[in-house]
Amino acid sequence: DAKTTQPTSMDCAEGRAANLPCNHSTISGNEYVYWYRQIHSQGPQYIIHGLKNNETNEMASLIITEDRKSSTLILPHATLRDTAVYYCIVRVRQGAGGTSYGKLTFGQGTILTVHP
Amino acid sequence: KAGVTQTPRYLIKTRGQQVTLSCSPISGHRSVSWYQQTPGQGLQFLFEYFSETQRNKGNFPGRFSGRQFSNSRSEMNVSTLELGDSALYLCASSPRDSSFSGELFFGEGSRLTVL
Repeated sequence: DAKTTQPTSMDCAEGRAANLPCNHSTISGNEYVYWYRQIHSQGPQYIIHGLKNNETNEMASLIITEDRKSSTLILPHATLRDTAVYYCIVRVRQGAGGTSYGKLTFGQGTILTVHP
Repeated sequence: KAGVTQTPRYLIKTRGQQVTLSCSPISGHRSVSWYQQTPGQGLQFLFEYFSETQRNKGNFPGRFSGRQFSNSRSEMNVSTLELGDSALYLCASSPRDSSFSGELFFGEGSRLTVL
């Protein structure tokens, strides 16, 4: 799986958009970008994933550059409850017979602090 | 639908003892993965089970083992505990079928303290 680079920490004011960058310059054509977050002392939570098109769900938006070497997770209106560690992970989307189905390689992530 | 359930949530052991942690996946999910999280090493993959068979294993010593039952519930065992085994142990489940989109569902974890 490709390696990712994220800033160690970021701050955001409550109600503003939080834009979390991720570099994955060695990403392969069949690798997807996944984002998870971990709120203190809880298990990681899936946020969103994408291949090359921008994606949006009820939690966030994912913008992937045209060359796919970087992406940005956008939380449109950050709240205090969005304070967490955000992980950007690049991996092949496994078929049912894949051997790395349940394996995610986590980096150090970005500590996002949302303040009032 | 109930989430991933891990028991116990907290436990304290002493060096040399062994420990067994349990994970009940989301109903219908057949794949269970285990992770160790420590302040120094972060989140690290331990192993994955599917259809009662270990499918993948991380870089951990043989003291770490696991198994999966026919109802997809899984247990992991750590023998001869060391101080460095103090960690949050997380379990994640997924359907592992054509509906799988890469999303893993994590439990709240079992926090092990070794004294």
